[in-house]
Order: sequence, then structure tokens, then C-alpha cells
Amino acid sequence: DAKTTQPTSMDCAEGRAANLPCNHSTISGNEYVYWYRQIHSQGPQYIIHGLKNNETNEMASLIITEDRKSSTLILPHATLRDTAVYYCIAAVGSARQLTFGSGTQLTVLP
Amino acid sequence: GAVVSQHPSRVICKSGTSVKIECRSLDFQATTMFWYRQFPKQSLMLMATSNEGSKATYEQGVEKDKFLINHASLTLSTLTVTSAHPEDSSFYICSARDPSKGRDYEQYFGPGTRLTVT
Repeated sequence: DAKTTQPTSMDCAEGRAANLPCNHSTISGNEYVYWYRQIHSQGPQYIIHGLKNNETNEMASLIITEDRKSSTLILPHATLRDTAVYYCIAAVGSARQLTFGSGTQLTVLP
Repeated sequence: GAVVSQHPSRVICKSGTSVKIECRSLDFQATTMFWYRQFPKQSLMLMATSNEGSKATYEQGVEKDKFLINHASLTLSTLTVTSAHPEDSSFYICSARDPSKGRDYEQYFGPGTRLTVT
């Protein structure tokens, strides 16, 4: 699995969009970009994934650059409950085990 | 989404004893389950991959005789920490896939088990 690099921490004001960046410059053509989050002392939760195209679901949007070397997870209207560690993972598929990096601690401020 | 449960949520045991952690897929059949360990302020580290009806595959550095994994049915995998020591104190998390839904990109994680060895 390709290595991913994320900022250690970020703050976001409640109600504003949270934009979480991820670099994956060595990603291979068949690797997807997955995003999971982990609220304190809970198991991780799947958010979204994508290969080349931008994706949107009820939780978030995923923007992947054309060269696929980086991506951004967007939480359009962050709430206090979105405070969590967000993990960006590059993997061929979740059918395999996931390799978690350090992630980004997102703190949503009131 | 699919639900994965773990039991117990917290356990305290004495050094030298064994403790069993259960991971269940409640509304789907999981041919593959994964076991992770997470130390305080650290990320999740994969310990082993558990396949129903066969032996688990352990990651490098994980002692298979210490961390016994049994995946006897399509809805249950167990992790037994044998002869536990204080350094085994950690947050243990399992996950599973639901291949029947075609959403094989998604892993469903359990809520985790906090193990404290005194």
C-alpha cells in the first residue's frame, strides 16, 4: 500500500467546511483512496473512498487531483460530533487489511 | 450499515491470566475478520487476519502462541490473550467485511475492547 501523509492536527469552526488534505504521491494505478475516522475510544468508521473521480455521499466529499498524488476530504458543515482522528489510506481494496497511518486530529470548535 | 459487536467492552485481568475477546458480525456473514491493536495516542496496528475455517495469518512481530485467534463460524471470531502482561494492555479492535452486499471496499469495525492487565 502506498504511504500517505496527513497533517497532524487541524481545527475547524462549527458550521464551516472542514478540508482535510492527504498526500499519496506514490499511489499506484489500482489503489483506491479510503477515508476512515475514529472518534475517541471507538472503532473506526468508513467515510468515503474513490479511485480517480471525485465522490460525494451523505457524510462527505472526496476530491482527488488529476495526477492522483493528493486528495482532500471535505466535511461541508462540520459539527462538534465530527471531532475525531481522520485516516487517509491508499489500498487496493478493503478486502485486504488496512494500513493506518497517524491520521489528522480534527477538532471542531464551537 | 452492517454491525460488528465486541465483548467485553472493557476487561481488567491479573498478570499471567488469559482473557478472551469476542468479535461478532450481527447481521451479516464475515468470511474474513481483522484484529487490530491500538496503544494510547497511537494508530491502529494490524495484528492478524482471521479467515473462517482456517488458521489466522499473523503480522510480523505478533506472537501467534500468545494471541490465539479462532474463527469458527461466519459470525464469530475470538482473540485470546494468553498469559497476559501489563504491556499487553491496549485497545483491541476487530473489523469485518460483508462480501454479500458487493460493498467489499468497506470494513465494518467493532467498538473495541479496552484490556488492562494489572
